[in-house]
Amino acid sequence: GAVVSQHPSRVICKSGTSVKIECRSLDFQATTMFWYRQFPKQSLMLMATSNEGSKATYEQGVEKDKFLINHASLTLSTLTVTSAHPEDSSFYICSAREGGAFTDTQYFGPGTRLTVL
Amino acid sequence: LAKTTQPISMDSYEGQEVNITCSHNNIATNDYITWYQQFPSQGPRFIIQGYKTKVTNEVASLFIPADRKSSTLSLPRVSLSDTAVYYCLVGDPFSSGSARQLTFGSGTQLTVLP
Repeated sequence: GAVVSQHPSRVICKSGTSVKIECRSLDFQATTMFWYRQFPKQSLMLMATSNEGSKATYEQGVEKDKFLINHASLTLSTLTVTSAHPEDSSFYICSAREGGAFTDTQYFGPGTRLTVL
Repeated sequence: LAKTTQPISMDSYEGQEVNITCSHNNIATNDYITWYQQFPSQGPRFIIQGYKTKVTNEVASLFIPADRKSSTLSLPRVSLSDTAVYYCLVGDPFSSGSARQLTFGSGTQLTVLP
């Protein structure tokens, strides 16, 4: 199947700093990527939909000024957590859609573990 | 987006066949059914996708009855390494932009015992 990568896999930062997470589709182009957050023992929660060349669409309750999303190319989307605080500590996962003529599948990245001290 | 209901947890033994059923009573005509597997601290991994009847690949089978209000993921001869959370999702793969999002339910924690 298609491969989606994320970088970094793990990051520890001080409160108040900003952290950028990259999501790349390695062997296919993705016009749409999605960003999820997952807290321990919980399911994935969609944060936003990243559209190449246009503004991201955020889910209710997700602050667009805090979680900046940029989808500058068909293979790269970035999520920047600005002025991170301990409550932002979570597992962030991106996904990218690989579309075919008759079906469509989303592939997920390996995730980024963010710890804010 | 159709809501899904799965058992919270299941236990099995190595070598057995495991069937996990998912209910999606409000599935729409254009919705497909997709199953993902997730290990701790990893992103979900695509297992199988189908629209109706039966789909089989090298790792699993997916059974979908005619009314499509439920589906069953079948894992043949599970091993310890199949211990993971399994998510059932429904959605329209041909919708555009944000409508392509997948809504994750609570998933099923499968524990394979020796």
